Amino acid sequence: DQQVKQNSPSLSVQEGRISILNCDYTNSMFDYFLWYKKYPAEGPTFLISISSIKDKNEDGRFTVFLNKSAKHLSLHIVPSQPGDSAVYFCAASARNTGTASKLTFGTGTRLQVTL
Amino acid sequence: DVKVTQSSRYLVKRTGEKVFLECVQDMDHENMFWYRQDPGLGLRLIYFSYDVKMKEKGDIPEGYSVSREKKERFSLILESASTNQTSMYLCASSFVGPTGNTIYFGEGSWLTVV
Repeated sequence: DQQVKQNSPSLSVQEGRISILNCDYTNSMFDYFLWYKKYPAEGPTFLISISSIKDKNEDGRFTVFLNKSAKHLSLHIVPSQPGDSAVYFCAASARNTGTASKLTFGTGTRLQVTL
Repeated sequence: DVKVTQSSRYLVKRTGEKVFLECVQDMDHENMFWYRQDPGLGLRLIYFSYDVKMKEKGDIPEGYSVSREKKERFSLILESASTNQTSMYLCASSFVGPTGNTIYFGEGSWLTVV
């Protein structure tokens, strides 16, 4: 049972344009969401997060949007740069369920930013 | 900066061998985790620990065990390695802040079982 889903395994975007990565979740107890970026042969690095009390969080070129009613979040990267080419993982956790420390990850989306 | 260090980056082991993967974090985090990453399957949680000597099974604990004798160190043990355990293993640590839990990962250990 995949509670966090990233339905697009890959995405190709031209440099300078917007990259939009999508993530859906099924567990209504999830209240904290994160995006991680992963280069080959390296561990994932934390990118940006959002709490369920917000619907948007911005950090530089990265913005995460949360639509609780649709159980959907998205990561926008503007403008996209070649160095953004990586695999992006969406993750979620539920703070008040006794498993606050556990993150559930999606399967990842490989972003390729072309020149 | 949070530092999570995995002792071995690349290992090749034979089927049936006992394998230890070691991980150390320097941020005094309560929580530590072991994930594995496989193509098309994302990151799957094997075990986690929220305190010294405490451990909980994740989503795929079969064939693995863990040890946490000190707060900063979390070991993953493959009692008898099998070829389906060939994977990238990721150690992580975290603390639960006021808004949520952010996990910080190590560089990863590539294990090949032949």
